[in-house]
Amino acid sequence: DAKTTQPPSMDCAEGRAANLPCNHSTISGNEYVYWYRQIHSQGPQYIIHGLKNNETNEMASLIITEDRKSSTLILPHATLRDTAVYYCIVRVASGGSNYKLTFGKGTLLTVNP
Amino acid sequence: NAGVMQNPRHLVRRRGQEARLRCSPMKGHSHVYWYRQLPEEGLKFMVYLQKENIIDESGMPKERFSAEFPKEGPSILRIQQVVRGDSAAYFCASSPNPTDTQYFGPGTRLTVL
Repeated sequence: DAKTTQPPSMDCAEGRAANLPCNHSTISGNEYVYWYRQIHSQGPQYIIHGLKNNETNEMASLIITEDRKSSTLILPHATLRDTAVYYCIVRVASGGSNYKLTFGKGTLLTVNP
Repeated sequence: NAGVMQNPRHLVRRRGQEARLRCSPMKGHSHVYWYRQLPEEGLKFMVYLQKENIIDESGMPKERFSAEFPKEGPSILRIQQVVRGDSAAYFCASSPNPTDTQYFGPGTRLTVL
């Protein structure tokens, strides 16, 4: 699976949009970009995933660049409860051991009042 | 639809005792994955099981650790003769198929005294 690079930490003001970047320059055509978050001491929570089109759900939006080498997770109106470590994971669509999620260090997003 | 359930949430054992961690997957999910998170580290894949089968245990320590997912009942991660280095958070995830999104449980925090 392609490797990902994320900033170790970011701050965001409550009510503003939080934009979390992720670089995955070696991503292959059949690899998805997944985002999870882990609020302190809890289990990882699935947020969103995409292949090449932008995606939106009730939690967030995922913007993937046209060359697919990077992506941005957008929380449109961050709240204090969004403070968490956010993990960007690249995962092959099928075959091999695609079920093994590889968690890096992620980005600690701190939402400030 | 209940999420992935794990119990106990906290487990304290003395060195040399056995630890049994349980995971009940989401309804309709027959694929279970165990991950371990050591203090201040990311989650690491341990084992992938389907009902009555171990598919991939490449992330499991070779000794003292075992896992099962019987036809009836939860998946069990068993650690024999625990040592202090086994202290960690153990998370279980489930999915309907190995290529689908994995949903995580709240974890079991094991402390070895």
